[in-house]
Amino acid sequence: EPEVTQTPSHQVTQMGQEVILRCVPISNHLYFYWYRQILGQKVEFLVSFYNNEISEKSEIFDDQFSVERPDGSNFTLKIRSTKLEDSAMYFCASSLRGLGYEQFFGPGTRLTVL
Amino acid sequence: KQEVTQIPAALSVPEGENLVLNCSFTDSAIYNLQWFRQDPGKGLTSLLLIQSSQREQTSGRLNASLDKSSGRSTLYIAASQPGDSATYLCAVPSGNTGKLIFGQGTTLQVKP
Repeated sequence: EPEVTQTPSHQVTQMGQEVILRCVPISNHLYFYWYRQILGQKVEFLVSFYNNEISEKSEIFDDQFSVERPDGSNFTLKIRSTKLEDSAMYFCASSLRGLGYEQFFGPGTRLTVL
Repeated sequence: KQEVTQIPAALSVPEGENLVLNCSFTDSAIYNLQWFRQDPGKGLTSLLLIQSSQREQTSGRLNASLDKSSGRSTLYIAASQPGDSATYLCAVPSGNTGKLIFGQGTTLQVKP
């Protein structure tokens, strides 16, 4: 059964460093999303991506964040200069068509900023 | 602005009991509602997607109901087992791109 994959499963970085989180969405899906979950808090939407551009972003998704689909399979989230408060679980999700369609989530990347 | 609330925050039951988890949302103009399971430190596993035109959706021992007009959904788990112990999240799509708005989850413990 097709699934969303994410790498790495755990990333430890120093404050101020750049990190790139990688995702491989389900192959025929067209909409891609990033969410994050700070420990003990709700899952929060960061950004949605369709047709090679950002379709919606949250207030959290400031200039320190960027997303890219560098090839036909990968979908990446870059944080340019990490802060302590960026420590969270980051989830990638994909759906076939977007609004009204089921979203499938990856296993997540746990980011720890020291 | 859509808000999603789940009650209770935590629930502990003995094995074999039937139980109900609740989810409420403030904006009833939704396309669907999705229930997820999250094991500690793990990802989100989709359990059920119930469309706005549906009243119920079933998968094995799980049954989800949806009442759009009252802004409520319930997840019914029959004959609970220790392996059902996890956090259960509900989420509704919002905006044009279908971004999900999540509740805070109900953490379920089923004791043998």
